[in-house]
Amino acid sequence: GAVVSQHPSWVICKSGTSVKIECRSLDFQATTMFWYRQFPKQSLMLMATSNEGSKATYEQGVEKDKFLINHASLTLSTLTVTSAHPEDSSFYICSARALAGARSYNEQFFGPGTRLTVL
Amino acid sequence: GENVEQHPSTLSVQEGDSAVIKCTYSDSASNYFPWYKQELGKRPQLIIDIRSNVGEKKDQRIAVTLNKTAKHFSLHITETQPEDSAVYFCAASPNNNAGNMLTFGGGTRLMVKP
Repeated sequence: GAVVSQHPSWVICKSGTSVKIECRSLDFQATTMFWYRQFPKQSLMLMATSNEGSKATYEQGVEKDKFLINHASLTLSTLTVTSAHPEDSSFYICSARALAGARSYNEQFFGPGTRLTVL
Repeated sequence: GENVEQHPSTLSVQEGDSAVIKCTYSDSASNYFPWYKQELGKRPQLIIDIRSNVGEKKDQRIAVTLNKTAKHFSLHITETQPEDSAVYFCAASPNNNAGNMLTFGGGTRLMVKP
């Protein structure tokens, strides 16, 4: 159980275009999803916390107008990288946390990641 | 906010030897400490975790110890095998209403030589 999927798994786009990444919890409901960015050989850096039905909370230094997050349901959160530039190229990973009361409530289940390359 | 330091950044051991990775954290409110294993280009996989109400937890060849007073916790892998080679991340999470966000350490690249 506790499977999280991401789509697409990789994407190459031209500079200036927008890219949408989907994160889905497949077999559980998640009130909270997290979006991370990971540069090569570096750690996971939290970008934002996404709560179903409310605005995302962004970490310091992350532009909310550039990285649009929508958490429309208990099983889906999307990250849109707007007007992508080469410096946005990275590995984007989401994670999902189960509903309060679930045995795995305090765990985060990670998606497989999306590798974005902006030319 | 929380700050998690992880050492060493790289670790090379001979197959069969033990490996130890150490992390320190700054926020005394943190009470959940997971360890993740990440292979190249793949998602982090939870391998073991510990909560602040225990000092040690073991799962076969993997163990984690926690010293809340000193604010540090360690991962111990015994009888290492080549398939243990990966990047390992420690993390810390506070018990608050902000969603239990994880703060990750910088990672340790473990190489197990056959």
